[in-house]
Amino acid sequence: EAQVTQNPRYLITVTGKKLTVTCSQNMNHEYMSWYRQDPGLGLRQIYYSMNVEVTDKGDVPEGYKVSRKEKRNFPLILESPSPNQTSLYFCASSLSNTGSSRGYTFGSGTRLTVV
Amino acid sequence: AQSVAQPEDQVNVAEGNPLTVKCTYSVSGNPYLFWYVQYPNRGLQFLLKYITGDNLVKGSYGFEAEFNKSQTSFHLKKPSALVSDSALYFCAVSENTNAGKSTFGDGTTLTVKP
Repeated sequence: EAQVTQNPRYLITVTGKKLTVTCSQNMNHEYMSWYRQDPGLGLRQIYYSMNVEVTDKGDVPEGYKVSRKEKRNFPLILESPSPNQTSLYFCASSLSNTGSSRGYTFGSGTRLTVV
Repeated sequence: AQSVAQPEDQVNVAEGNPLTVKCTYSVSGNPYLFWYVQYPNRGLQFLLKYITGDNLVKGSYGFEAEFNKSQTSFHLKKPSALVSDSALYFCAVSENTNAGKSTFGDGTTLTVKP
């Protein structure tokens, strides 16, 4: 089944403890992106990647890192999480950055709580 | 900077009536426009997009949207609403000079009552 898989689905962590949220797609998509969703703020783009080894900042990149060493994986790294990074995170992918004919495929989300 | 506005937090319609969810945008270049739907505790699902060509775009589940360049709008429409259409709807925009950077609206909650 064609899908974007995020892990974990739920995570509670403490301030300052490094964590990684993984994202993997099995559709050979070039484009991948990370968003956070907060009540009343919609989705805000954190980072995106047009292809392997090509990444760029979205609207809210502070406090996050990403890497794209291989096409299928696009992990989101929080080096020193803080409570204001408590949010619902989504990974998305598409064949191209215009969404291709099927648009972007989103993962099921990762609910992160930083205490 | 690009931006998207969804002026209504909530839209309520009766089943069988037409529905409209509004979206206006601002970009420097030519827009790429998208609509997504999110059901509770789920990820977003693609409904439709406008890249170029015909201003009326047809998408999934009977939804359509009309690109209006002069009014910088991309309203989502459906001729006859279903109770199962009740969900959170997001409009998103990118621009042709930097299509990787996307901006979403704050979302509109659609409630269709029987």
